[in-house]
Amino acid sequence: KAGVTQTPRYLIKTRGQQVTLSCSPISGHRSVSWYQQTPGQGLQFLFEYFSETQRNKGNFPGRFSGRQFSNSRSEMNVSTLELGDSALYLCASSFGSPWTGAYEQYFGPGTRLTVT
Amino acid sequence: GENVEQHPSTLSVQEGDSAVIKCTYSDSASNYFPWYKQELGKGPQLIIDIRSNVGEKKDQRIAVTLNKTAKHFSLHITETQPEDSAVYFCAASKSSGSARQLTFGSGTQLTVLP
Repeated sequence: KAGVTQTPRYLIKTRGQQVTLSCSPISGHRSVSWYQQTPGQGLQFLFEYFSETQRNKGNFPGRFSGRQFSNSRSEMNVSTLELGDSALYLCASSFGSPWTGAYEQYFGPGTRLTVT
Repeated sequence: GENVEQHPSTLSVQEGDSAVIKCTYSDSASNYFPWYKQELGKGPQLIIDIRSNVGEKKDQRIAVTLNKTAKHFSLHITETQPEDSAVYFCAASKSSGSARQLTFGSGTQLTVLP
């Protein structure tokens, strides 16, 4: 079974621009979560989507948003990029719903975003 | 919210020796504790996990122990090999309702010396 895929793998953007990252979960997984990884803050939860609805959100500003499509694929968007948004953005998929599904989350390889 | 502390931040062992990484958590409602291994340029890989109704779990050379009373859990790797070198993260989460997000520890860079 194919794992979680993320595109693009690398991205360079300029301050003030916006960016969209894409994630395809493991086949059959319907929950997608996003995490930001930086050397200073470590791994931090952004949001979780299930059934095309955001079910949970971390402590990030409104510039960070996402959506999920009917095929469970998800995108996250960051508007008005700041230098501090440079990070590895990781997507994780889980089987089932946030309430009754499996606990395990499986991560993709991430998208390395550099903001200059 | 949940807070997870992880120690040590770096760990060097000789090939064949054992490695132990420890984590503590703050929220007594957390009931799921996974461990991830992250190699350079890759995403975190789930290597073992434990739920709060179990005290210990083993998978070949890897084991995890959980002490709910003390709110700490540990990863044990025996007979370490060079390919075990990576950053290891512990995490905690609750499974109920909308709180399935993982709260991660700060990571341990494990180096296995040949």
